[in-house]
Parts: sequence; structure tokens; C-alpha cells
Amino acid sequence: GAGVSQTPSNKVTEKGKYVELRCDPISGHTALYWYRQSLGQGPEFLIYFQGTGAADDSGLPNDRFFAVRPEGSVSTLKIQRTERGDSAVYLCASSLNGPAGTQETQYFGPGTRLLVL
Amino acid sequence: EDKVVQSPLSLVVHEGDTVTLNCSYEVTNFRSLLWYKQEKKAPTFLFMLTSSGIEKKSGRLSSILDKKELFSILNITATQTGDSAIYLCAVEPRNQGGKLIFGQGTELSVKP
Repeated sequence: GAGVSQTPSNKVTEKGKYVELRCDPISGHTALYWYRQSLGQGPEFLIYFQGTGAADDSGLPNDRFFAVRPEGSVSTLKIQRTERGDSAVYLCASSLNGPAGTQETQYFGPGTRLLVL
Repeated sequence: EDKVVQSPLSLVVHEGDTVTLNCSYEVTNFRSLLWYKQEKKAPTFLFMLTSSGIEKKSGRLSSILDKKELFSILNITATQTGDSAIYLCAVEPRNQGGKLIFGQGTELSVKP
């Protein structure tokens, strides 16, 4: 497919469990972003990758959250010891991010709806 | 702290009406303002605005930015039921890698 894809589309887990959420960006997009959207709110930034490296992880709420992008394409968001407050839609976006000074649109995936019971 | 505020939070109109959605922002170093439409889950891109006073238009949707007063509006004319969605406004600060700061969104419901 041509767009950003995310799996699973829905995930139900129990408090204390570990979850992994996957994002496949648009082919060739070097920048990848994770956002979290709680009910009735706009998306909140979590972390940004440029290539394989996390260029900005200032939005991660605590050390239970971690993300990787080992080959500069697919990314996995990992949440340890899940809490009920982690329940939200986790959105991934990618952009081309060309040379400095260009402004590239972020294209979003359909998200993963995480429910922690 | 960088912030984006949208109003109204929700709006109910009838088909054929014209609506105006508002977005005000505070950001230390502004680069661009974006509008997205969110139906179900994935936000879809509508407009990117970088310069004041230049209207962007796509069909029945249009948007304009005022960098002096720090706001943007999104207009939808001759609304249709398919316009029902959450409309998100986001600001991209400069030199922060492209991360977006979103408002709460405006939930628009268009009744037949």
C-alpha cells in the first residue's frame, strides 16, 4: 500500500503487561513520528526519528515507553508494565523530510487503539 | 509553552450551511500551521499555511493565516454530511524536527 500502516488496529491488554505497536511508514520517508491521542483531545507528540536515530524523545511520558527504528523504516513503540492511563489511540506519521528549509507534510496512519483493562 | 487552541469544540449544522472553524496559537518560533480532517482514526492532510493573508483553497474548503494576530480559520461552504469529522489544527515550531503541536480539535456534525 502507498500509505502509512499500523498494526494491530486494536489491542486489548491487562494492566502490567507489555505491548508492542508497529508502524510501517511510506516508502522513502526518512522522518517518522509517534503521537498519542486520548479521547476528546488532539494528538500529542511522543517521539521523532530521523533515519534510525531518535532525534527527539521529549514527548515520551516516562521510562515505560520506548521506541526503535533499527533499519530506518519500520518502527516499534514498546510500552512496559502498561497502566489504565495508557489507553489511547497511538498514531504514527511519516514525512519525506528533505533538505533543511523544506516543509514536508506528515502523513498519518490509521492508528492502534490500545485499551488497558 | 507552545499551545494551540481551537474553537468551537463542537458544532452542529445542517447541509448547505457555511461554517468557520477557529485556531489560535502561541509558539516560540513559528514555522507553519496545518489543518487535518479526522474521520474514524487517521488524520488526513488538508492545508499547510506559512504566510499571512494568502488563502489556500480546495473545493469547498479554504483557509487563511494571520501571523500578526496568531490565528487561522478554516471555512467550509455548502456543507455536506460527508464533512462530518473532527478538524484538527496543528502548529509546527521551527528547528524541532517537524513535530506538530495539535489543538483539541473541533467536532463538526452536518445533519441532512
